[in-house]
Parts: sequence; structure tokens; C-alpha cells
Amino acid sequence: GAGVSQSPSNKVTEKGKDVELRCDPISGHTALYWYRQSLGQGLEFLIYFQGNSAPDKSGLPSDRFSAERTGGSVSTLTIQRTQQEDSAVYLCASSLTVISTDTQYFGPGTRLTVL
Amino acid sequence: AQTVTQSQPEMSVQEAETVTLSCTYDTSESNYYLFWYKQPPSRQMILVIRQEAYKQQNATENRFSVNFQKAAKSFSLKISDSQLGDTAMYFCAFILYNFNKFYFGSGTKLNVKP
Repeated sequence: GAGVSQSPSNKVTEKGKDVELRCDPISGHTALYWYRQSLGQGLEFLIYFQGNSAPDKSGLPSDRFSAERTGGSVSTLTIQRTQQEDSAVYLCASSLTVISTDTQYFGPGTRLTVL
Repeated sequence: AQTVTQSQPEMSVQEAETVTLSCTYDTSESNYYLFWYKQPPSRQMILVIRQEAYKQQNATENRFSVNFQKAAKSFSLKISDSQLGDTAMYFCAFILYNFNKFYFGSGTKLNVKP
């Protein structure tokens, strides 16, 4: 596709439910990143993928958060047993390679609201 | 620890005027890259300008330029001839050389008034 896409655009869920957020990176991009943007805050790094592997999971806030990437393309971020503090915009980005100088292109994000 | 501080939560500027957004950062590393990203209401983060820390010359992109002071760890963004379309949140960020993790500031909301 022309850019990074994310679905759903908005997600409202009840506390304790599991949610899955999807990211479709730019075709051919080997690196994929997940960030969380809480209200009034900057972006918080969660995890990145190089191909299908995740060398750095240090940003995942708890073991309720997990992510996978298949076929070197689509990635899914899963949050189990959601809590109200998980409410945020979840942004995905991709870059051509994992070289830090490569520009990261961001998707429009998924706004998650946990009631 | 790596940190980014944007001390101006919100700013306003008249159309066609110039505005400067402040950013300071902290890192013990010497090789890194600095960025300004723009986030309009659509939520799409758009790269505005980037600067390699090893370059002394300040980066410029059309109406956008930076004032990079490495010793002071300061990286301000100047927007000349402000346009209504510049209204957005602006985030300062840096990434360490050979690492892939961005460190972002909390953002400055810029409102360009007609």
C-alpha cells in the first residue's frame, strides 16, 4: 500500500477484555515499530520487529502485552485483560531497514478506550 | 537515561509570522539523530526535519530550520512564514546511532491564527 495502515481506527472495550490491534506496514519494509501515546504525552516505545523477530521487547509495559509479526509483514499487538490505564493511541511505524538512520513512517494509530 | 523535554505545552502564532519551538534532551551518547515530527488532528506523524548529531551545520527544509546546539543539548525548531496548515502537535525526538528506539518529548501544540 501507499502508507502504513492500522485497524481498527478506534476501539472501545470493557475492562478485562482482550483486544487485538493490527498494523500493515509499507510493502518491503523490514522494520516495524509499536508505540503508545497516552493523552498529553509523547510517544512511548513498546517493541520493534526486524523481519518476524523482536530483538527489543523492553518497552512492553507488562506481560499482558504481546506482539507478533508474520510473513515479515502484518503485525498484531495484543493486550490481554485490558485495564483503564491501557487507554491510549497505539501507533505503528515501519522503515525500510533497521538501520537507525532510516526514516520511520507512521500509521494513523488506533485509539483504544477501556471503560 | 535518555530524556527529551519540551517546555512549551502550547504556543500560538499569527499566520505569516515566525515561531520557535524549544527542545532539550539528555543523553550520554555522542552519536545520535534528532528529529522533529508533526502530528495533525489526523494523528498521522509526519517527519518535518532531521539532524545528524555529528553535523555542525543546522538542517533546513524549506520554511523549517533547526538551531542545534550540541554542547547545550538543545534542538529548537524555527517555522518561518507560518501557515494555517502548520497547526498541529510538534514532537521533538532522538534516536541513538545503531539503536532503533525513539525517545520523544511530550509535544508542543502549535496554533496558527489567521
